[in-house]
Amino acid sequence: DIVMTQSPATLSVSPGERATLSCRASQSVNSNVVWYQQKPGQAPRLLIYGASTRATGIPARFSGSGSGTEFTLTISPMQSEDFAVYYCQQYNHWPAFGGGTKVEIK
Amino acid sequence: EVQLEQSGAEVKKPGDSLKISCKGYGPNFSRYWIGWVRQMSGRGLEWMAVIHLSDSKTKYSPSFEGQVTISADKSISTAYLQWSSLKASDTAMYYCARLYYYENTGLYWHFDLWGRGTLVTVSS
Repeated sequence: DIVMTQSPATLSVSPGERATLSCRASQSVNSNVVWYQQKPGQAPRLLIYGASTRATGIPARFSGSGSGTEFTLTISPMQSEDFAVYYCQQYNHWPAFGGGTKVEIK
Repeated sequence: EVQLEQSGAEVKKPGDSLKISCKGYGPNFSRYWIGWVRQMSGRGLEWMAVIHLSDSKTKYSPSFEGQVTISADKSISTAYLQWSSLKASDTAMYYCARLYYYENTGLYWHFDLWGRGTLVTVSS
């Protein structure tokens, strides 16, 4: 089974700054990774698919990159509504989620 | 509006049975796959099972096979998740979500539309 490892577990960022979140796969998943955002008390929302393509309605300040085993979600500039937990998930093999990164206000 | 509507919160006792539902709204919804995702308090996301609304073809995560049953009624575009005997450890939020399934490509799926969740509490 593929294991998705996200780092850091918690990231402290000031509004207006850049947030860089990482997701590592235990073996290659090509570019078959998505990112979700989950705000407190809400369901997850799809942000990025295919490692780098923004889903419908997602602002341009969200960008994804990577392939193989290393993936990055960048949010720049951070806005107040972006403080949330972010999960990656691969779909190259039997789907697996990462453990999440909580982005909090610094 | 395209959306998933989940049944309300449940409070049950250990050993009880339970069936929760997820109804899809939107054109041609019965052609989609729907999945269930568990989120225990303060924890991450775990997919449990998925079903094709039209033909009820199913797939289970190995972690949940034998623990739950997924089913569907295509006439009302609704998916269900059921337990025959709940445990305290089943206490969690359960989300249903529509799959974007890369069927016949060798790839699997991600989730592109989510319900608001059904909180299940199991306590004596």
